[in-house]
Amino acid sequence: GENVEQHPSTLSVQEGDSAVIKCTYSDSASNYFPWYKQELGKRPQLIIDIRSNVGEKKDQRIAVTLNKTAKHFSLHITETQPEDSAVYFCAASTSFGNEKLTFGTGTRLTIIP
Amino acid sequence: GAVVSQHPSWVICKSGTSVKIECRSLDFQATTMFWYRQFPKQSLMLMATSNEGSKATYEQGVEKDKFLINHASLTLSTLTVTSAHPEDSSFYICSASTIANPTYEQYFGPGTRLTVT
Repeated sequence: GENVEQHPSTLSVQEGDSAVIKCTYSDSASNYFPWYKQELGKRPQLIIDIRSNVGEKKDQRIAVTLNKTAKHFSLHITETQPEDSAVYFCAASTSFGNEKLTFGTGTRLTIIP
Repeated sequence: GAVVSQHPSWVICKSGTSVKIECRSLDFQATTMFWYRQFPKQSLMLMATSNEGSKATYEQGVEKDKFLINHASLTLSTLTVTSAHPEDSSFYICSASTIANPTYEQYFGPGTRLTVT
């Protein structure tokens, strides 16, 4: 089955700096890669996703890149703000998400004011 | 749109009893529902996938006789934890998706925190 690895497990950055979180996946059939932000005790919130037919997607301060050959994808957050502090999970799925999601282990991001 | 609710939001039960958690899609028909379990400071682990009117597909290592999943309608799935034990204490989250949505996004419920004493 699919295996998703995520690094780093914790990340602290100064407010205003950029944060990068990286994930690798094992199943070449995976074609949907969402990123979720989860605050303590809350549901995961989709912040951005990318499908295998594109290499990069951007939404304001958030961007995701995908390298299908290397089977890795990354989340980039620019101009970080204190409210960006949370746990971030990457995930991978076949069938564009209508099949099960395999989650990474999570990254606890702390923005230092 | 695309709202998923769970009930209850938290529950405390005694060891050996059973507890039922409901997951509802409020404004769409969910073709598929997923149940995840999340232990403190850990990731979401998929327990099972259910399609309306079909038996759930359980992930390896998840006891189907202990975690009963019913997906009787396109808007409701239930997870029953039978003979609960303290090690079943966790955050249970459902999600729902529909093939009617071209983005195929999974919509997550708010989660249910189960504490077994």
